[in-house]
Amino acid sequence: EAGVAQSPRYKIIEKRQSVAFWCNPISGHATLYWYQQILGQGPKLLIQFQNNGVVDDSQLPKDRFSAERLKGVDSTLKIQPAKLEDSAVYLCASSYQTSSYNEQFFGPGTRLTVL
Amino acid sequence: RKEVEQDPGPFNVPEGATVAFNCTYSNSASQSFFWYRQDCRKEPKLLMSVYSSGNEDGRFTAQLNRASQYISLLIRDSKLSDSATYLCVAVNTGGFKTIFGAGTRLFVKA
Repeated sequence: EAGVAQSPRYKIIEKRQSVAFWCNPISGHATLYWYQQILGQGPKLLIQFQNNGVVDDSQLPKDRFSAERLKGVDSTLKIQPAKLEDSAVYLCASSYQTSSYNEQFFGPGTRLTVL
Repeated sequence: RKEVEQDPGPFNVPEGATVAFNCTYSNSASQSFFWYRQDCRKEPKLLMSVYSSGNEDGRFTAQLNRASQYISLLIRDSKLSDSATYLCVAVNTGGFKTIFGAGTRLFVKA
C-alpha cells in the first residue's frame, strides 16, 4: 500500500517569497492533516480536513497560510509571504476517518528553509 | 502552560535497561492518547495507543491515569534500535484537535 506522498522534499526561499507544498494521502483516507514541526518541537496541527471540508484550522496563521483540498483527495498548503520563523518541516498526515481512535499516517515531510 | 508536556530528556541508558517516560495533559476534553516514535529526520510513526486499562506490546507498556491527567510509557530491555524521540499525543473527543508533546529523546548505548 502506498504511503502519504509529499513534494517537494526540500525548499529554500527568501523571506517575503511564496511557497506551496503538495500532499497526496493514502487512498481511501477521508481525513488529512497539515502539521508544522519546528526543530526541537513536536508537530503542531495547522489544519485538518474531513473530505474536502475544514474541521479545524484554529492554529493556521490565516494572514499568510492557506490550504485547500479539492475533490477531497490531494491537498496544497501555501505560505505567502514567508517569514524567517516559517522555517520548519511541514508534515502531511492522513487517517481513515476523523475519529479519536484512528492512526495518523505521516508523509516524509517538506523541509522549508527561509533565508 | 502547554496542553501536552513531556520531559525533553535526553535519557541516556545502557542496553537492557528499563526506562520510563511520563507525559501530562491539561485539557480535560482530551479523549484519546497515543505514543508516536520519531527517528532523526524522519516522520512520526504510531508506537501504541494508550488505554486506562493499560496497553502492552512486547517490551512496551503504556498507561493512562485520567484522574492525574498523565500518560506513561515503559520500555523494558532497551535495544540500540529504541533510540529515538517519543512523542506523547492527545486527541479531543471526535478526533479533533490533535496535540503533540515536544517529545522525549532516548539514547540507548551499547
